[in-house]
Amino acid sequence: EAGVAQSPRYKIIEKRQSVAFWCNPISGHATLYWYQQILGQGPKLLIQFQNNGVVDDSQLPKDRFSAERLKGVDSTLKIQPAKLEDSAVYLCASSPLGGGGVTDTQYFGPGTRLTVL
Amino acid sequence: AQSVTQPDIHITVSEGASLELRCNYSYGATPYLFWYVQSPGQGLQLLLKYFSGDTLVQGIKGFEAEFKRSQSSFNLRKPSVHWSDAAEYFCAANSGGYNKLIFGAGTRLAVHP
Repeated sequence: EAGVAQSPRYKIIEKRQSVAFWCNPISGHATLYWYQQILGQGPKLLIQFQNNGVVDDSQLPKDRFSAERLKGVDSTLKIQPAKLEDSAVYLCASSPLGGGGVTDTQYFGPGTRLTVL
Repeated sequence: AQSVTQPDIHITVSEGASLELRCNYSYGATPYLFWYVQSPGQGLQLLLKYFSGDTLVQGIKGFEAEFKRSQSSFNLRKPSVHWSDAAEYFCAANSGGYNKLIFGAGTRLAVHP
């Protein structure tokens, strides 16, 4: 079974520019997550989708970050405009169940490393 | 506030030696607990998880973890470390609901030959 795919793997931009990341979850997985992992820290959940709908976006900086999940499959995360503190690895994960049950294991993609200069 | 703490930022062990990575949690009730491993340039891979029952949990790659309610801990262990175990290890927890995981800051493991 194919894993979670993410692109690009690396991105370097200047502050105030915009950037977008793409995620393709494991086929059939209902729930999709975007995490931000700053160097030296654990991943922090930015947004969680269950099928097309947003379940949790409480830690998403909505003034500059946006995300969508079209048709309940692929997802994009956008930052506009980027700040220096947005430099991080952005991880996408998916899990199979739709109910968000605690036995619902999350599978992670390789991440996109963003550097903002 | 709910939190997960990994007291050791960096640990170095010799190949063949035993390993214990510490994890403490702060939750209102016993959370569900996980250990993930992240190799350079890779995503996180689940090693093991604890929901209830037997407090000693077996995982992949020869790892195990022990849940201790009295100490609010969920420490990861391996009896004999291999050079390929060098990676970063994350403890995580959630309290149910919509499966929101809270991660610790991670412990970076180096293995000496």
